[in-house]
Amino acid sequence: GAVVSQHPSRVICKSGTSVKIECRSLDFQATTMFWYRQFPKQSLMLMATSNEGSKATYEQGVEKDKFLINHASLTLSTLTVTSAHPEDSSFYICSADTEGETQYFGPGTRLLVL
Amino acid sequence: DQQVKQNSPSLSVQEGRISILNCDYTNSMFDYFLWYKKYPAEGPTFLISISSIKDKNEDGRFTVFLNKSAKHLSLHIVPSQPGDSAVYFCAARTYSGGGADGLTFGKGTHLIIQP
Repeated sequence: GAVVSQHPSRVICKSGTSVKIECRSLDFQATTMFWYRQFPKQSLMLMATSNEGSKATYEQGVEKDKFLINHASLTLSTLTVTSAHPEDSSFYICSADTEGETQYFGPGTRLLVL
Repeated sequence: DQQVKQNSPSLSVQEGRISILNCDYTNSMFDYFLWYKKYPAEGPTFLISISSIKDKNEDGRFTVFLNKSAKHLSLHIVPSQPGDSAVYFCAARTYSGGGADGLTFGKGTHLIIQP
């Protein structure tokens, strides 16, 4: 199957700092990438849809100014958590869409804000 | 309002027997359904999918059945193996025409295969 990578896999930061997470499709081009968040013992929740060359579409309740998404190329999307707070601590996972069919997921990034 | 429901938080099955994981949905606009397997602190791994125009799809030990009228799908794993122990997520997608939409996930079922 298609391979999606994420970097970093884990990050600890102080409250008020910004954190950037990268998502790359390694062996295919992804016009659309998605960002999800998973809290402990919860399901994955879609945060935003990222299309190459255009603005991201955010789900209801997700602050676009706090979670900045840039989809600079067909293989790279970045999520920046700005002015992170402890309540932003979560597991962030990206996925890349293969021609409107299956979504393949990255390994996830564990964010801990102190 | 949960649009994709997995009502069994956990399921225990003996090795070699059949595992049946169930999923119900409420949104009739879903046109594609997927099953993922997930370990803690890892991303979901794609297992199998089915389009809403089909009622069955098979891939090796994995078979997914879709009953559109009942808005119900199930994943069958046979025979079950110890390596199948994981959390299984049912996911559904709508297609808006302008491109694929994000997935709506159920809460997952923790499958435990007993030796």
